[in-house]
Amino acid sequence: QVQLVESGGGVVQPGRSLRLSCASSGFDFSKFGMHWVRQAPGKGLEWVSFFPSEEMNTYYVDSVKGRFTVSRDNSKNTLYLEMNNLRAEDTAVYYCARDGPHRDVDCWGQGTLVTVSS
Amino acid sequence: QSALTQPASVSGSPGQSITISCTGTNSDIINYNYVSWYQHHPGKAPKLIMYEVTNRPSGVPNRFSGSKSGNTASLTISGLQAEDEADYYCSSKGRSIIRVFGGGTKLTVL
Repeated sequence: QVQLVESGGGVVQPGRSLRLSCASSGFDFSKFGMHWVRQAPGKGLEWVSFFPSEEMNTYYVDSVKGRFTVSRDNSKNTLYLEMNNLRAEDTAVYYCARDGPHRDVDCWGQGTLVTVSS
Repeated sequence: QSALTQPASVSGSPGQSITISCTGTNSDIINYNYVSWYQHHPGKAPKLIMYEVTNRPSGVPNRFSGSKSGNTASLTISGLQAEDEADYYCSSKGRSIIRVFGGGTKLTVL
């Protein structure tokens, strides 16, 4: 079955960097666009980034543009999120999710917690 | 892209029906049938429960139904069960690549 497993979260000081990974299995990773979505403590879901399957353009929410970079390695079936110059407001559970065939997000990982604190 | 407004909370007793609304600020909900709904139990992975306004993925009970009217989409849960207690989010996809989620609605089963 489809599985998405995030890793790489942890506690980091403001201004530092962190790299998240999302390992996929159970589907042809190269054929699907992939999202990062986050949920800050006590808040709702916030879309963060998208890497389409068939183009090299990447997309970001305004609040992370210039600081976050999404990438993918189709040979390893893995999605990444490089997060630089982290801020306290980036504290959240980060979910990796698959772009579905009906303009939806059809599969989600369990998430990895990122805490930005001094 | 559209901002999506949901009520912060709704509640109902077991066996009752509830409806969660999702109102868009632009015409994406009016012009496109790409409204999806997600169920999120805290600490777990969010789950897609409705796509293209009215369609349920395999395994989602038919107690869950979706609709739209004008710029508002709705999720109705009939025959409420205790396990339906969760947070629910809508999302609407228009021409933009950017995705937006509603603010979320906390469903309490009394």
